[in-house]
Amino acid sequence: GAVVSQHPSWVICKSGTSVKIECRSLDFQATTMFWYRQFPKQSLMLMATSNEGSKATYEQGVEKDKFLINHASLTLSTLTVTSAHPEDSSFYICSANGPTATEAFFGQGTRLTVV
Amino acid sequence: AQSVTQLDSHVSVSEGTPVLLRCNYSSSYSPSLFWYVQHPNKGLQLLLKYTSAATLVKGINGFEAEFKKSETSFHLTKPSAHMSDAAEYFCVVTVSGGYNKLIFGAGTRLAVHP
Repeated sequence: GAVVSQHPSWVICKSGTSVKIECRSLDFQATTMFWYRQFPKQSLMLMATSNEGSKATYEQGVEKDKFLINHASLTLSTLTVTSAHPEDSSFYICSANGPTATEAFFGQGTRLTVV
Repeated sequence: AQSVTQLDSHVSVSEGTPVLLRCNYSSSYSPSLFWYVQHPNKGLQLLLKYTSAATLVKGINGFEAEFKKSETSFHLTKPSAHMSDAAEYFCVVTVSGGYNKLIFGAGTRLAVHP
């Protein structure tokens, strides 16, 4: 099946700094990617829909200035957590619809810890 | 609006016994439904999907699910649990029958005991 690669798999950063997470579709083009956040022992919550060449669509309650999304190419979307704080610590997962749009493929996830 | 309810937050079974993870959905349209599995600190893997074809869907690792429109259910089953099945399972419905937004259930943690 199609492969989505997410990098890094884990990151620790200091409070106030910014962190960039990459999501790549390795063997297909993804015009749309999705970013989710998952708190411990909870489900995935959609943060935003990333569209290649246009602005991301954010879900209600998600700060677009804090979670910057860039989808500059058909195979790469990035999520930048700006001025990170400890409450931003979470597991972030991206997904992309496969080439036939019949299935969503997920990255491995990124564990962000802000200290 | 679409929604999905996983009826059990935790399920515990013995190895070799059947598994049943329950899921009910609500959808204004003909839904597409999925079951995903997540092992600790890992991404999600698709187990199976229903997309308006056969109502009994067979997936990977011996899992299957049956779409029952009259009961608005899409329960996940496996005849015999294996230790490696221990993980978090998510029932998912798409928005408006498409493949854009996925609405996740709260998840069911499956524990398998020897």
